[in-house]
Amino acid sequence: DAGITQSPRHKVTETGTPVTLRCHQTENHRYMYWYRQDPGHGLRLIHYSYGVKDTDKGEVSDGYSVSRSKTEDFLLTLESATSSQTSVYFCAITGDSGANVLTFGAGSRLTVL
Amino acid sequence: AQTVTQSQPEMSVQEAETVTLSCTYDTSENNYYLFWYKQPPSRQMILVIRQEAYKQQNATENRFSVNFQKAAKSFSLKISDSQLGDTAMYFCAFAEGGSEKLVFGKGTKLTVNP
Repeated sequence: DAGITQSPRHKVTETGTPVTLRCHQTENHRYMYWYRQDPGHGLRLIHYSYGVKDTDKGEVSDGYSVSRSKTEDFLLTLESATSSQTSVYFCAITGDSGANVLTFGAGSRLTVL
Repeated sequence: AQTVTQSQPEMSVQEAETVTLSCTYDTSENNYYLFWYKQPPSRQMILVIRQEAYKQQNATENRFSVNFQKAAKSFSLKISDSQLGDTAMYFCAFAEGGSEKLVFGKGTKLTVNP
């Protein structure tokens, strides 16, 4: 997967519990992204990072926070999971924002009961 | 805000035939990039083709080609000689030049029938 891994790949949790998804890259790319994929909505950007400790919100950031303390790791946290956050989450990376070509991880399926 | 519209939620085609997937977008920018990504049942997102708005020539990648109509803000994907392995969700995506963010359409589910 071009040096990008997501963990966990599958998770089932209960409403109100905290959840953290991890994206790890070995490409030393500057830009990292979290998207969610839902039927009928395509992929929607949650948060992205343009460097260590530099992050910004996407179009569906409510209920999510992110952290990037190292170039290789980008964490997505759901402080208190809700059923509406049941989704498939994709991490993506790119080294060149001008090219905008993203490499995606394999996805993490999260189910909130 | 930029929007990307894929008006065909589902399509099907017979093996070896040609199919065209539609995509329109809305932007006031002149410098931007357009993409088609493929997502097979494995769920992996794979770049199919990329087009730079300042290039008039349509991008091609083997059996995949685009019809880029800048004035009409249209970016359709043509798949020639369809193969069973082309069965997938196809997403059209847009990015402003210099922006770090891609905006995706809702996708078209393509089924190639034997």
